[in-house]
Amino acid sequence: DSGVTQTPKHLITATGQRVTLRCSPRSGDLSVYWYQQSLDQGLQFLIQYYNGEERAKGNILERFSAQQFPDLHSELNLSSLELGDSALYFCASSAGGQGLGYTFGSGTRLTVV
Amino acid sequence: DQQVKQNSPSLSVQEGRISILNCDYTNSMFDYFLWYKKYPAEGPTFLISISSIKDKNEDGRFTVFLNKSAKHLSLHIVPSQPGDSAVYFCAASAGAGSYQLTFGKGTKLSVIP
Repeated sequence: DSGVTQTPKHLITATGQRVTLRCSPRSGDLSVYWYQQSLDQGLQFLIQYYNGEERAKGNILERFSAQQFPDLHSELNLSSLELGDSALYFCASSAGGQGLGYTFGSGTRLTVV
Repeated sequence: DQQVKQNSPSLSVQEGRISILNCDYTNSMFDYFLWYKKYPAEGPTFLISISSIKDKNEDGRFTVFLNKSAKHLSLHIVPSQPGDSAVYFCAASAGAGSYQLTFGKGTKLSVIP
């Protein structure tokens, strides 16, 4: 157990739907990062939050949004889902704002049918 | 445009021998490099890192070498063990205060007993 908890582990939904992925960071970590891993692709950085504020943005689609709550857990919202959104979504956390030494969760596998 | 490339999708090595995983990068702004290991159904776990001011970093059986002029790094595992069988991701970040990691697509290492 890495200490980073992601729920649900698996999610199957239809095109056009909206889903919410949840991440609880490791105790004491203020930064949360979201990454997407599509088939045969490396992990693509989506977005980072630090202590409730958006800190950095990567290749995140406008249909996707995220937030970090006062208790530091984070949610990634994916809307108007398309088949191509099917992927593994990883959350990671770290103690500070630097992106080094992440601890990853085990991921949420999203399948859009 | 892939800024971090792992050109070998897979590698098979006999137990006890050396495993060498390679990674090339194109962005000259990258100054910190990391290797992550990933088992099935788990998130990536941090393995070893190297700053651009060094050309070698060692941690037990794992050594990372950095050749800045060639924009190339490699991970050596000696001796290789069956438990090392996993997908290895190379990642890089650019500059102090950088919050995102750019990952390669990964190399699947199989260590044969």
